[in-house]
Amino acid sequence: AQTVTQSQPEMSVQEAETVTLSCTYDTSESDYYLFWYKQPPSRQMILVIRQEAYKQQNATENRFSVNFQKAAKSFSLKISDSQLGDAAMYFCAYRPHRGTGTASKLTFGTGTRLQVTL
Amino acid sequence: GAVVSQHPSRVICKSGTSVKIECRSLDFQATTMFWYRQFPKQSLMLMATSNEGSKATYEQGVEKDKFLINHASLTLSTLTVTSAHPEDSSFYICSARTEVVANEKLFFGSGTQLSVL
Repeated sequence: AQTVTQSQPEMSVQEAETVTLSCTYDTSESDYYLFWYKQPPSRQMILVIRQEAYKQQNATENRFSVNFQKAAKSFSLKISDSQLGDAAMYFCAYRPHRGTGTASKLTFGTGTRLQVTL
Repeated sequence: GAVVSQHPSRVICKSGTSVKIECRSLDFQATTMFWYRQFPKQSLMLMATSNEGSKATYEQGVEKDKFLINHASLTLSTLTVTSAHPEDSSFYICSARTEVVANEKLFFGSGTQLSVL
């Protein structure tokens, strides 16, 4: 079974600074997707960034980028120029590339609460 | 972008009653819908997966008769918490997946906070 581990329950960053959230996963699959989701106080799940395992290039979305190390099964999220609105819970998630129905489910990590201070 | 509407956003009910939560995909056909449960300060735990027109697949430890899931159409899935008890109080989130969208995203509803008195 796939597992996703986030070892940082809480992180803090000053506004305008950079922070990196860690995520490791375990899978026997060779092709899969990895995601970072943001859950603000509203509790709406928001997709931050997505990485396809067969792509070597790290995904980037504006101030958000990932460091995807497939051999190490590591998928960290870097937030640059942190803003107050970045404060939220961040969940790392995994899903297999192939599969339908329940085989296409997301497996979430336990989350990292990010605080952004002035 | 694709939108998933989940209702109600908040519900308070008495112990022993049943509560129905709806999850609708507004501008796409959802071949698969997922129901998650989230306790305070915890992660999302998958409860069940539903495909249109077929029985839901429940995760281990989730009571099928307690949490009834119906996916009658490609745009609507419902979760009914039957004979609710205080321990069923939680945040429930649905998400929808479509085979049409090739970017493999999941679209989440805004969640339902269930409080059982």
